[in-house]
Amino acid sequence: NAGVTQTPKFRVLKTGQSMTLLCAQDMNHEYMYWYRQDPGMGLRLIHYSVGEGTTAKGEVPDGYNVSRLKKQNFLLGLESAAPSQTSVYFCASSYRGDRDTQYFGPGTRLTVL
Amino acid sequence: RKEVEQDPGPFNVPEGATVAFNCTYSNSASQSFFWYRQDCRKEPKLLMSVYSSGNEDGRFTAQLNRASQYISLLIRDSKLSDSATYLCVVNPFQGNTPLVFGKGTRLSVIA
Repeated sequence: NAGVTQTPKFRVLKTGQSMTLLCAQDMNHEYMYWYRQDPGMGLRLIHYSVGEGTTAKGEVPDGYNVSRLKKQNFLLGLESAAPSQTSVYFCASSYRGDRDTQYFGPGTRLTVL
Repeated sequence: RKEVEQDPGPFNVPEGATVAFNCTYSNSASQSFFWYRQDCRKEPKLLMSVYSSGNEDGRFTAQLNRASQYISLLIRDSKLSDSATYLCVVNPFQGNTPLVFGKGTRLSVIA
């Protein structure tokens, strides 16, 4: 099993550009999450999903959109990137019966110039 | 008061030392608690759960004090490989509300 994978690993964008980050998990987990991590700020939840076709806002959802069309995939979109969105983005998933154990992907390092 | 608070450190300790981290949480209804470990430039991974009776896993001991709303992690006989950031994590137990992560405490074990 690959676990949780994220694509791409690195990306540099210009202000105003758009992009989509892809998260995939092969563990049949119901719950999926997107976090951003900035120095001194810790992990902050952007959006999450408790099942296919459902999404919910986390702590810092502004400027991001998500979709969960398939159970194994959770997409994070930036419609118009801003320098404040420079960060490391982590995706995670968990099983409904044990949602306390989150499995994280390796992260995407995004720089917005 | 923030939901989960930790001393950011860094804690710089020599090999073989014992080091302890504390974490406080604000939601008294929280039912489950964890420590996650994050190596530099890597993803977080579950280290251990924290039970009311306290629990031990090798050199690591986790304890919970519900009355004072704090959680602790004790590492005995520190190894160089213990150098990492330790995240205190709380499940607020409000419907499907996800886990709440602390900002982490950085540990450097020095030879």
